[in-house]
Amino acid sequence: NAGVTQTPKFRILKIGQSMTLQCTQDMNHNYMYWYRQDPGMGLKLIYYSVGAGITDKGEVPNGYNVSRSTTEDFPLRLELAAPSQTSVYFCASSRGLAGGRQETQYFGPGTRLLVL
Amino acid sequence: ELKVEQNPLFLSMQEGKNYTIYCNYSTTSDRLYWYRQDPGKSLESLFVLLSNGAVKQEGRLMASLDTKARLSTLHITAAVHDLSATYFCAVTGGSNYKLTFGKGTLLTVNP
Repeated sequence: NAGVTQTPKFRILKIGQSMTLQCTQDMNHNYMYWYRQDPGMGLKLIYYSVGAGITDKGEVPNGYNVSRSTTEDFPLRLELAAPSQTSVYFCASSRGLAGGRQETQYFGPGTRLLVL
Repeated sequence: ELKVEQNPLFLSMQEGKNYTIYCNYSTTSDRLYWYRQDPGKSLESLFVLLSNGAVKQEGRLMASLDTKARLSTLHITAAVHDLSATYFCAVTGGSNYKLTFGKGTLLTVNP
């Protein structure tokens, strides 16, 4: 199993450009997540999904969009990139349990994004 | 709003010494997670603590959970350089779908 994979690993964007960060998992997990990590700030949840066709906002959703058409894929779209979106982005997945609980989250390798 | 606080945020220790990282959280939760992150790398799951009094150990790391005190500890025994990393705790809050992370503890183990 490859686990959680993310592409690209690194990207430089100009202000106002758009891009999609790709995330794929091969563990048949129903829950998937997008986080951003800024230095010294821990992880902030951007969006999450509890299954194909179901997404919801996290703590910092502004400037981002997601879709989940399949169990495996959970792309994150940045529209009109801004310098404040310079960060490291992690995708994660987990197996959901009864009552909405989940096992531990498995993280992808991350995408480093620089917006200039 | 669920808050998760770790302390210390920075910890420099000598090899062979013992120390504890603390994780406090503000609302009731029945699951607590510990992760490790090496510099420039992703997060790796260390422990999942499921109930009050839970204790888990892996090598020189031992994690425990006190749900009444809303406190988890990560104890490091006889530290070695390979343990140098950032350690995060995370808690499920009102919505079990989401984890709230602490800011992390940057651990540096010096020879």
